[in-house]
Amino acid sequence: DARVTQTPRDKVTEMGQEVTMRCQPILGHNTVFWYRQTMMQGLELLAYFRNRAPLDDSGMPKDRFSAEMPDATLATLKIQPSEPRDSAVYFCASGKSGWTDTQYFGPGTRLTVL
Amino acid sequence: QKEVEQDPGPLSVPEGAIVSLNCTYSNSAFQYFMWYRQYSRKGPELLMYTYSSGNKEDGRFTAQVDKSSKYISLFIRDSQPSDSATYLCAMSGTLGAQKLVFGQGTRLTINP
Repeated sequence: DARVTQTPRDKVTEMGQEVTMRCQPILGHNTVFWYRQTMMQGLELLAYFRNRAPLDDSGMPKDRFSAEMPDATLATLKIQPSEPRDSAVYFCASGKSGWTDTQYFGPGTRLTVL
Repeated sequence: QKEVEQDPGPLSVPEGAIVSLNCTYSNSAFQYFMWYRQYSRKGPELLMYTYSSGNKEDGRFTAQVDKSSKYISLFIRDSQPSDSATYLCAMSGTLGAQKLVFGQGTRLTINP
């Protein structure tokens, strides 16, 4: 049963520290999405990639957030420096462009910035 | 105003009841409509998707789209405690791993 995996599942850090979250998309999926979910804002799209190239990162605070796909099996989301308002659950999702299927979500990384 | 509006609830109903969950939207370009279910501390999982207007049924679940009113619904028949979750609507102008716009999610509890 193919799944999106994310690490770490939980992260507690101090304000100002760098945070890196990792995602392994489902093998064969060429589109990867990063979302942030909070009680107040719900699920927000931060960025997405197709065939490893960034297509849209307009939802991401550019000064502190960065997203990359070093290869087809790994996507990373980095926050530097982290702030308490970054506390949220970060989800990665993957899918295949041009198919009827849509996005499959990972279990999320729960980030707490103190 | 958000592109997609969804009442966050919470909604609590007795087991066996028919549940109706709804979203409204403002962007007439949306063609594909999805419902995701999210259990506590899990990622959203795709429940159903529909294209344009009309109904789609899958077991106890029925998705309904009314593009003229910009209104979509998810009905759950014979609701079970295992249906307790947050339900998110999502929409896109195209299908196939494209950018989705999500509603806030409705938290549903089915009481035994």
